[in-house]
Amino acid sequence: GNSVTQMEGPVTLSEEAFLTINCTYTATGYPSLFWYVQYPGEGLQLLLKATKADDKGSNKGFEATYRKETTSFHLEKGSVQVSDSAVYFCALSEVNRDDKIIFGKGTRLHILP
Amino acid sequence: EAGVVQSPRYKIIEKKQPVAFWCNPISGHNTLYWYLQNLGQGPELLIRYENEEAVDDSQLPKDRFSAERLKGVDSTLKIQPAELGDSAVYLCASSSPRGNHNEQFFGPGTRLTVL
Repeated sequence: GNSVTQMEGPVTLSEEAFLTINCTYTATGYPSLFWYVQYPGEGLQLLLKATKADDKGSNKGFEATYRKETTSFHLEKGSVQVSDSAVYFCALSEVNRDDKIIFGKGTRLHILP
Repeated sequence: EAGVVQSPRYKIIEKKQPVAFWCNPISGHNTLYWYLQNLGQGPELLIRYENEEAVDDSQLPKDRFSAERLKGVDSTLKIQPAELGDSAVYLCASSSPRGNHNEQFFGPGTRLTVL
């Protein structure tokens, strides 16, 4: 079945460091891909999305490119801030399955000042 | 605009007791979701409503879990009786057909601890 695999955390970086959180997926058809973020004590928020191959989603300095050839959707940011500390979830929606979303296990990110 | 509201935020009960969670979606959102999030895991869908109709409850353990959305707005999720393994965060989300495709808005969740 469809699934999402993302790198395990926690990931600890210093402020202004470059961030990559890897995400790969398995899916039939052509899913839409998402990154959600969960700040401490809050619900999940959609960070960015891409709906077809080679699309790049971006928001708040974060980017991810839908790579069909490698079935990947890695999250990147050039210079992280302490306020980026959160849990990040990669996800896909199942095409023709009523848009059901499958989430990865999440990656906890700690940014040190 | 108010977000998805859930209550309570935290609940501690003893096993075999009943428990209920409440969700108020964003105004105008006709689709409502209940998710289960175990520690260190991503959310997993329990049930999805379109207005008052449960259109996907295939992952809801119906022997002890039930949900309702009587007027197509607020929803409650109930567990009776609760088991130790039910300790988790229960998330509610809503979406609108007029919004971006697949964009679901999540509440802060209810953290359940079963002793």
